[in-house]
Amino acid sequence: KQEVTQIPAALSVPEGENLVLNCSFTDSAIYNLQWFRQDPGKGLTSLLLIQSSQREQTSGRLNASLDKSSGRSTLYIAASQPGDSATYLCAVIGPNAGKSTFGDGTTLTVKP
Amino acid sequence: GAVVSQHPSWVICKSGTSVKIECRSLDFQATTMFWYRQFPKQSLMLMATSNEGSKATYEQGVEKDKFLINHASLTLSTLTVTSAHPEDSSFYICSARASEGVGETQYFGPGTRLLVL
Repeated sequence: KQEVTQIPAALSVPEGENLVLNCSFTDSAIYNLQWFRQDPGKGLTSLLLIQSSQREQTSGRLNASLDKSSGRSTLYIAASQPGDSATYLCAVIGPNAGKSTFGDGTTLTVKP
Repeated sequence: GAVVSQHPSWVICKSGTSVKIECRSLDFQATTMFWYRQFPKQSLMLMATSNEGSKATYEQGVEKDKFLINHASLTLSTLTVTSAHPEDSSFYICSARASEGVGETQYFGPGTRLLVL
């Protein structure tokens, strides 16, 4: 059974700081891995999708890496802004684009 | 990119009533859709896998008679919460797995927030 763990559970940083969110998974037989953002009371916003054959994806100030063999992914946020404050969820999608397993999320607060 | 919609986005109902939530793939066909539930301050948990034209597969601990899933077409799956109770209040999100043409991946809907009074 796939298990996904996100560390830290919460993170508070001053504006402008670069930061890394971590996601680990127990079963390396994944189809792809996706990072989402969720604002309070809102749905999911897809940030980055990394296929199992890829090592990283970049979008603006965000960079996500994937190391399947070690069961790890990181989300790097450069030059953080208060608007980045949200909960970040990591989801591992099983073989054949099957069901997704979500981590518990990292709640990020960026202070002005 | 591919889009998945959910309707309604918000619903408030009285205890004992049934609520239907729709999940639609707008520009692609989805042979498989997944339903997730998120309780406050918790992550998303898979409830069931919905396959077009066949019965849904429920995860352990999810009552299939309470959460009725119908996937009658390649673009629509519905989740009906029957005889809803306050403990069913949650955020329900669907995802759709694209068939050929869009690439095998999943696309998530925006979610439906259910409040049972």
